[in-house]
Amino acid sequence: DAGVIQSPRHEVTEMGQEVTLRCKPISGHDYLFWYRQTMMRGLELLIYFNNNVPIDDSGMPEDRFSAKMPNASFSTLKIQPSEPRDSAVYFCASSGQGQGEKLFFGSGTQLSVL
Amino acid sequence: SQKIEQNSEALNIQEGKTATLTCNYTNYSPAYLQWYRQDPGRGPVFLLLIRENEKEKRKERLKVTFDTTLKQSLFHITASQPADSATYLCALDPLEIRNQFYFGTGTSLTVIP
Repeated sequence: DAGVIQSPRHEVTEMGQEVTLRCKPISGHDYLFWYRQTMMRGLELLIYFNNNVPIDDSGMPEDRFSAKMPNASFSTLKIQPSEPRDSAVYFCASSGQGQGEKLFFGSGTQLSVL
Repeated sequence: SQKIEQNSEALNIQEGKTATLTCNYTNYSPAYLQWYRQDPGRGPVFLLLIRENEKEKRKERLKVTFDTTLKQSLFHITASQPADSATYLCALDPLEIRNQFYFGTGTSLTVIP
């Protein structure tokens, strides 16, 4: 298996633009997580899905953030409009049956909002 | 909300020595506590998992202990090697809110040859 695949690896955009991050989880995994990592706050859980259904989005910072999982093999995290404080590394992770199962992370998307 | 604290300062040790990293948590009771390794420019990689009813877990040169009374986990790397240099993260999956993995900010380890 290729592991969790994220795209793009790097994204540079201007404030106010829409940004879409993409994730393909490991086949057969039914949990998908979106995290954001910064030096100050570390890894923060934004939202997670179980069987394509959003379970908890309490970590999503603002209404500018939205996430979807239209099928078991694809998820997106969208920021509209983007702001400089959104600059961070965004990770997608997937896991098997959830409870205590280890997370498999993608390589992340480095987002810079100018 | 859950707070996970790890050694805030970077840890430098001599090759061959044992590195000990600390993870302290508050508020929730963890069902599971996990340790991950993260290299620059990459996502975290799972290393070890320990359950609430386990005191210790080992895997090759790695050892994790778990003290639910102290609300603390220790992560040991014995016979450390320069290749062990990385950032190490602990994460817990609370009993009260399952499947929400809360991560610490990580401890940067450098093993000096």
